[in-house]
Amino acid sequence: GNSVTQMEGPVTLSEEAFLTINCTYTATGYPSLFWYVQYPGEGLQLLLKATKADDKGSNKGFEATYRKETTSFHLEKGSVQVSDSAVYFCALSEGGGSNYKLTFGKGTLLTVNP
Amino acid sequence: EAGVAQSPRYKIIEKRQSVAFWCNPISGHATLYWYQQILGQGPKLLIQFQNNGVVDDSQLPKDRFSAERLKGVDSTLKIQPAKLEDSAVYLCASSLDYRTNNEQFFGPGTRLTVL
Repeated sequence: GNSVTQMEGPVTLSEEAFLTINCTYTATGYPSLFWYVQYPGEGLQLLLKATKADDKGSNKGFEATYRKETTSFHLEKGSVQVSDSAVYFCALSEGGGSNYKLTFGKGTLLTVNP
Repeated sequence: EAGVAQSPRYKIIEKRQSVAFWCNPISGHATLYWYQQILGQGPKLLIQFQNNGVVDDSQLPKDRFSAERLKGVDSTLKIQPAKLEDSAVYLCASSLDYRTNNEQFFGPGTRLTVL
């Protein structure tokens, strides 16, 4: 079945540091890939997505590139801010054209200190 | 545009008691999802509705969990009787239509603590 593995946290960085959160996946077909963010006390929000190999998703300074050869979708940001402190979830969606369901990783807690 | 609404936000019950959660999706969204998020894990899909019909309930513990979306709009998830391992955040999400790869929008969740 489908699965998503992401680096375990917590990750603690200083403001303006470079961020990488690793994510790899296992899927039988050609999934779409997502990063969701969950701020304290809030629901999950879609951060970015990529629907096919070599696509790059980007939003709010975050980027991730769909790498089919390494089955990866690593999240990066060049300069993190305190407001980026949250839990980040990597997810995939594969439905074979009939039912797109999300499979999530376990999440990575990011804390950014001033 | 109003987001996905859930209530209550927090609930504390004792084991073997019953509890119900309510969700109102974004207007016009045909697909509604209930997820269980145990601390330290990613959300796990419990049940998926398309309008008032069930699309997927393969991971719903049907001996104790039930859900309905009678009029194809808002939905209720019930646990009866609750067990300690049901302590989790219950997330509701909605999307325009599950048959296309549409974005799912999540509510703030209900945090359940079973003592």
